[in-house]
Amino acid sequence: DGGITQSPKYLFRKEGQNVTLSCEQNLNHDAMYWYRQDPGQGLRLIYYSQIVNDFQKGDIAEGYSVSREKKESFPLTVTSAQKNPTAFYLCASSMRSSTDTQYFGPGTRLTVL
Amino acid sequence: DQQVKQNSPSLSVQEGRISILNCDYTNSMFDYFLWYKKYPAEGPTFLISISSIKDKNEDGRFTVFLNKSAKHLSLHIVPSQPGDSAVYFCAASESNYQLIWGAGTKLIIKP
Repeated sequence: DGGITQSPKYLFRKEGQNVTLSCEQNLNHDAMYWYRQDPGQGLRLIYYSQIVNDFQKGDIAEGYSVSREKKESFPLTVTSAQKNPTAFYLCASSMRSSTDTQYFGPGTRLTVL
Repeated sequence: DQQVKQNSPSLSVQEGRISILNCDYTNSMFDYFLWYKKYPAEGPTFLISISSIKDKNEDGRFTVFLNKSAKHLSLHIVPSQPGDSAVYFCAASESNYQLIWGAGTKLIIKP
């Protein structure tokens, strides 16, 4: 049963704390992505990775960090440097490039108190 | 500056009628366009795509039309069904580069 999972679904953190969002896929996809969705806006790309041990900044990478030590996993850390971290975060994967069909996880809603 | 715009935040359509969702873009170099559908509490799922060499692509009840001169694309759903109620995102890409997403249109199908 292939798919992409994100955990947790809801996350609450105090201001100033780093937090890591999990993303795992068992689709054997090379490429993985992190997006942020805010009300009234489209999905904005934070980071993406097309191969293990390599990743690239997207449009809004400031205040975030990622790692890609395994093909299946692409965790996102929201650091205290991110000025407005409260948002809905979506992880996706695709076979190779961004125009291949992207498969999304269910998302994590992060609220910073 | 939004390169991909979906100007209607929501759209309400009677079941059985045609739903038309619109998307405008500003970058004339975009050569690939996609529509994704999103239900609440789920991630978006791919619906249909079109490359700039075509002006129409059809898949069952879903048809996407591309008007390059107007930098406009539209998604037609015929006939609309209750399960079509969702948020629809338009996305575009230039030469296989990263997707640029619109803000989405919430489609409500009334029984």
